[in-house]
Amino acid sequence: DSGVTQTPKHLITATGQRVTLRCSPRSGDLSVYWYQQSLDQGLQFLIQYYNGEERAKGNILERFSAQQFPDLHSELNLSSLELGDSALYFCASSVNSGLSYEQYFGPGTRLTVT
Amino acid sequence: GENVEQHPSTLSVQEGDSAVIKCTYSDSASNYFPWYKQELGKRPQLIIDIRSNVGEKKDQRIAVTLNKTAKHFSLHITETQPEDSAVYFCAAILASGSQGNLIFGKGTKLSVKP
Repeated sequence: DSGVTQTPKHLITATGQRVTLRCSPRSGDLSVYWYQQSLDQGLQFLIQYYNGEERAKGNILERFSAQQFPDLHSELNLSSLELGDSALYFCASSVNSGLSYEQYFGPGTRLTVT
Repeated sequence: GENVEQHPSTLSVQEGDSAVIKCTYSDSASNYFPWYKQELGKRPQLIIDIRSNVGEKKDQRIAVTLNKTAKHFSLHITETQPEDSAVYFCAAILASGSQGNLIFGKGTKLSVKP
């Protein structure tokens, strides 16, 4: 158990719908990262938040957005869902300091868009 | 931006043999190189990492080597066991301040035959 939690574990929804994925980082970690893993694309970085502020953006679609709250949990919002959005969504957390950049992954949310 | 290439994509070894997975990266400023093991349907788990000021690091049966001049790093697993079967991902980042999103290779599926 990495200490990072994600809910829900599974999500099945229809095209055009909107969903919210939730992540709670390890105690003490200020950074949250979101990654998408699909069969043919491997692990793709989406977005990073550090202590409530957006720090880096990867290949995140405009239909997707995220935020990190004062208690440091994060939510990833996916809207106007398409079949191709079906994937495993992982969040990871880290301390992000000069001494420690290890990232620890949550169990993931499996999203199926039908 | 950073780009990480990983080889081979699949690797099959006999139990007890060694396995080597190689990665190259493009950004010479990258300074942190973790390796993750992912079993089917589970989270990526950090198994070993190396920083750019170190050439080699060992942890029991696994070791990682880094060649900064050639911009490549490798994972070595000795005395492989069936439970080592999984997908292994390398990653690279330029970790600085509060930033440090991982760029992953596409993964190597390791099969260890008893």
